[in-house]
Amino acid sequence: GAVVSQHPSRVICKSGTSVKIECRSLDFQATTMFWYRQFPKKSLMLMATSNEGSKATYEQGVEKDKFLINHASLTLSTLTVTSAHPEDSSFYICSASLGGSSYEQYFGPGTRLTVT
Amino acid sequence: KNQVEQSPQSLIILEGKNCTLQCNYTVSPFSNLRWYKQDTGRGPVSLTIMTFSENTKSNGRYTATLDADTKQSSLHITASQLSDSASYICVVIPPSGGSYIPTFGRGTSLIVHP
Repeated sequence: GAVVSQHPSRVICKSGTSVKIECRSLDFQATTMFWYRQFPKKSLMLMATSNEGSKATYEQGVEKDKFLINHASLTLSTLTVTSAHPEDSSFYICSASLGGSSYEQYFGPGTRLTVT
Repeated sequence: KNQVEQSPQSLIILEGKNCTLQCNYTVSPFSNLRWYKQDTGRGPVSLTIMTFSENTKSNGRYTATLDADTKQSSLHITASQLSDSASYICVVIPPSGGSYIPTFGRGTSLIVHP
């Protein structure tokens, strides 16, 4: 099946710094990429949907200036957590699909962010 | 509000036994319903995808069923293995051109003991 990678897998940063997480589709071109966050023992929560070459669509309650998403190519999307705070500590997962959400979504392995 | 409810929240079984996980949803209409397996600290991996017109879909020891009339789906795991220990997530996908937002259940945490 299609492979999606994320980098880094784990990151620890200090409050106030910014962290960039990369999501890559390794063997297919992803028209659409999704970013999720997941708290312990909770469901995945969609943060934003991004289409290559256009601005991301953020879900209600997600600050677009805090969570910057760039989808510069069909194989790469980045999520930058700006001015991170301890409450931003979470598991961030991306997924990629050939089309919209009705297409198969292939999930990345996730990135564990810890803000100290 | 569209919801996907899963039960039980957690389940412990012995290796080799069968088990069935439930998913009730209110999302309507929908494009497809999916079951994912998520190992701790990993991203979800697709097990089955069913459109609203399908009743059952198998993937090895995993068999998913769907009753669109009662808005219920189940995931049956046969002859469980230790590696089946994970969280199983039911996801309902809306039709394309609609709200675009998949609805995730909270998952059932399955632990398989030797």
